[in-house]
Amino acid sequence: QKEVEQDPGPLSVPEGAIVSLNCTYSNSAFQYFMWYRQYSRKGPELLMYTYSSGNKEDGRFTAQVDKSSKYISLFIRDSQPSDSATYLCAMKGYGGSQGNLIFGKGTKLSVKP
Amino acid sequence: NAGVTQTPKFQVLKTGQSMTLQCAQDMNHNSMYWYRQDPGMGLRLIYYSASEGTTDKGEVPNGYNVSRLNKREFSLRLESAAPSQTSVYFCASSEWGKSSGANVLTFGAGSRLTVL
Repeated sequence: QKEVEQDPGPLSVPEGAIVSLNCTYSNSAFQYFMWYRQYSRKGPELLMYTYSSGNKEDGRFTAQVDKSSKYISLFIRDSQPSDSATYLCAMKGYGGSQGNLIFGKGTKLSVKP
Repeated sequence: NAGVTQTPKFQVLKTGQSMTLQCAQDMNHNSMYWYRQDPGMGLRLIYYSASEGTTDKGEVPNGYNVSRLNKREFSLRLESAAPSQTSVYFCASSEWGKSSGANVLTFGAGSRLTVL
């Protein structure tokens, strides 16, 4: 079992839909959870960052962490065509080397006008 | 605000040729990283440098060397390129200020390398 599993999609939704993107993980030591957004032919950029469990909201984006289920989610409300991108989850435990950030393989999202 | 700058953006090599990918950041970050991204494989860490003067291997270091030239610059060298090294390469940097915190990465735009 890989440490981080992420459905690669592609996921296609109509404009205005609520989008749910998910990652599961196996390492219970993970404490830091991030979502990166990557537009086509660009580098990833940080979208959301969460420490430990709970929810975090930023505009139309909500990140949720359920450590008991080893499951993280990113919700996008009122999705827009500009949200079309690949979304990568990333996570890390407390301590250890800085090279220990583990990425999911990314989910490609397309929001149709 | 340049952030992380990578050169070149595109490169085509023949098997056995060598080349160096350059990376520079202007955010005064301590740590720098090189990743490769392949379809179906996601982002994989090649090498990283926690601070000036140190480098460490990541998940896929074979066939690569790195140099942390100074705090701003971190280069990746392919000594004898192979077709398996065809990929998109990303440089990233982070500020590792707090003890054992998470490294939030700022990425460059990528360098697309094709080895024939």
